[in-house]
Amino acid sequence: DAKTTQPPSMDCAEGRAANLPCNHSTISGNEYVYWYRQIHSQGPQYIIHGLKNNETNEMASLIITEDRKSSTLILPHATLRDTAVYYCIVRTGYSSASKIIFGSGTRLSIRP
Amino acid sequence: DTEVTQTPKHLVMGMTNKKSLKCEQHMGHRAMYWYKQKAKKPPELMFVYSYEKLSINESVPSRFSPECPNSSLLNLHLHALQPEDSALYLCASSQAEFNEKLFFGSGTQLSVL
Repeated sequence: DAKTTQPPSMDCAEGRAANLPCNHSTISGNEYVYWYRQIHSQGPQYIIHGLKNNETNEMASLIITEDRKSSTLILPHATLRDTAVYYCIVRTGYSSASKIIFGSGTRLSIRP
Repeated sequence: DTEVTQTPKHLVMGMTNKKSLKCEQHMGHRAMYWYKQKAKKPPELMFVYSYEKLSINESVPSRFSPECPNSSLLNLHLHALQPEDSALYLCASSQAEFNEKLFFGSGTQLSVL
């Protein structure tokens, strides 16, 4: 019962912005959008999360559409170290039903 | 210290063995998690502990037995596993159960022969 849809793979040139889309058309009003990534042989790493406003931190920006049915994770200047599987997750904020459940993710390859 | 440490990094065990996986964090986090990840698949939630009490069990078979002896430690006891239980076992922690940031360890790669 995955709540998100992501392309299985994408690639991007080093130094360019990587834009990773995520569809979450059944998202409800109290559900947040989270992004994690998993570099090969490592555990997943938290990137960013948001409810309805766009968010930016030192790693990435998160753009959520006004209807909240989709979002885009932006890595502004991709490097080879950004090669990873990126997971978009929808999660209820603070309740007993709130869990981090991973979907299939997007495998992002950064080419030199 | 923002690390979650998992030991051992690799484990090979027979179907009749008993072994344990260990996870440790010193960030003062009060929620800890076990995930299982098969090759080329996303991590699957197994257990959640909150304030050292089992909060969530995702219908995991009883051959997996979690234990949280204190707020810094999380163990996963393994007994009578099957070859299909071979996977990467990931531990994570967060400040509280519903906190947005989970910090993951690098995992224990388990092979069941």
